[in-house]
Amino acid sequence: DIQMTQSPSTLSASVGDRVTITCRASQSISSWLAWYQQKPGKAPKLLIYKASSLESGVPSRFSGSGSGTEFTLTISSLQPDDFATYYCQQYNSYRFTFGPGTKVDIK
Amino acid sequence: EVQLVESGGGLVQPGGSLRLSCAASGFTFSSYEMNWVRQAPGKGLEWVSYISSSGSTIYYADSVKGRFTISRDNAKNSLYLQMNSLRAEDTAVYYCARKSRGVIDYWGQGTLVTVSS
Repeated sequence: DIQMTQSPSTLSASVGDRVTITCRASQSISSWLAWYQQKPGKAPKLLIYKASSLESGVPSRFSGSGSGTEFTLTISSLQPDDFATYYCQQYNSYRFTFGPGTKVDIK
Repeated sequence: EVQLVESGGGLVQPGGSLRLSCAASGFTFSSYEMNWVRQAPGKGLEWVSYISSSGSTIYYADSVKGRFTISRDNAKNSLYLQMNSLRAEDTAVYYCARKSRGVIDYWGQGTLVTVSS
């Protein structure tokens, strides 16, 4: 199975900060990578698919980049609603695998 | 509006069985591939199973293969997960999830399965 890692595991930031989360795959997944946001007690929400495509309705402050094995999610100016846990997920294989998550909390 | 509503979770003893259901609405269910994904308390997300739109192609995670069975009834707009020989490590919130453009684009609210004596 393709293994996914994320860094950092926790990120403390302030409103207005630029935030970057990194995701790495154990083998090349081309651009078959998605990013999800999850808040406590809620289902994940799709933010980015195909590494850099913004899902409809998602604010433009979210962006994704990368291909192959290294990817990033960037929030250009962190808003109060953005404090949450973020997961990357590969869908190069039918066996979807997720990263361990990055919790973004208030500094 | 796309809606996925899971039901059937609860407390079950180790070795027991449970059947989860997911009622879909707001889209043409028969046209979409579906998945089950779970999340243990305080942990990350784990893909469990996949079923094609017609039900002809099915995949399972190694951790549940031989114990869980995914199925669907397109006439009833419903997805199912039959879980047998349950273990403590199966304790999790189970999400029904729609696949579109290759990616999971919609999730249900989840149903909690607790395996404990």
